[in-house]
Amino acid sequence: QQQVKQSPQSLIVQKGGISIINCAYENTAFDYFPWYQQFPGKGPALLIAIRPDVSEKKEGRFTISFNKSAKQFSLHIMDSQPGDSATYFCAASWGGAQKLVFGQGTRLTINP
Amino acid sequence: NAGVMQNPRHLVRRRGQEARLRCSPMKGHSHVYWYRQLPEEGLKFMVYLQKENIIDESGMPKERFSAEFPKEGPSILRIQQVVRGDSAAYFCASSRTGGPYGGYTFGSGTRLTVV
Repeated sequence: QQQVKQSPQSLIVQKGGISIINCAYENTAFDYFPWYQQFPGKGPALLIAIRPDVSEKKEGRFTISFNKSAKQFSLHIMDSQPGDSATYFCAASWGGAQKLVFGQGTRLTINP
Repeated sequence: NAGVMQNPRHLVRRRGQEARLRCSPMKGHSHVYWYRQLPEEGLKFMVYLQKENIIDESGMPKERFSAEFPKEGPSILRIQQVVRGDSAAYFCASSRTGGPYGGYTFGSGTRLTVV
């Protein structure tokens, strides 16, 4: 199935806390898993991406954890800041494909 | 270096009119993708084009929608005889090489409202 299921739909975290957003997929042919960040009125911007040959990738405060056997991946935002308040989308693609399949999005709010 | 430029940013059309959305890719990018975002939903792939060619239009509705990327000028997404269900944000992305692996760059989108 060409679907990616994302949860939660919305998330409120206190400043300094850890924000965790989860995604699950069915298609084992997926081999590229990016996360996008979107601010109101703007287009999505690539945040971080992972391939299935590694279980974790970290860039600054952002970490992707990948569980190939469970067909799940998640985004962790450490030390969450009010500036991180945005909508986050997970996505997936597969070899040879020119397109991304997006999750439904998570609206993240970081309270000061 | 300007990013992906989309215009107009907002477009209001009455039912039955035509909507034309334009996208100028980043300099040096020859691959263009159109996605549609309905309210409170993720982006859905519509079409992938290279200069003068439609490569994949598997996400395009069969009727009323068309896209082009001419040799000169921006890519155009055209919606004929718009209906209320066409109201959405339409995003264009571009890449230097085909596919998202190198990272798409998205424009800021065109918000289409059909009244």
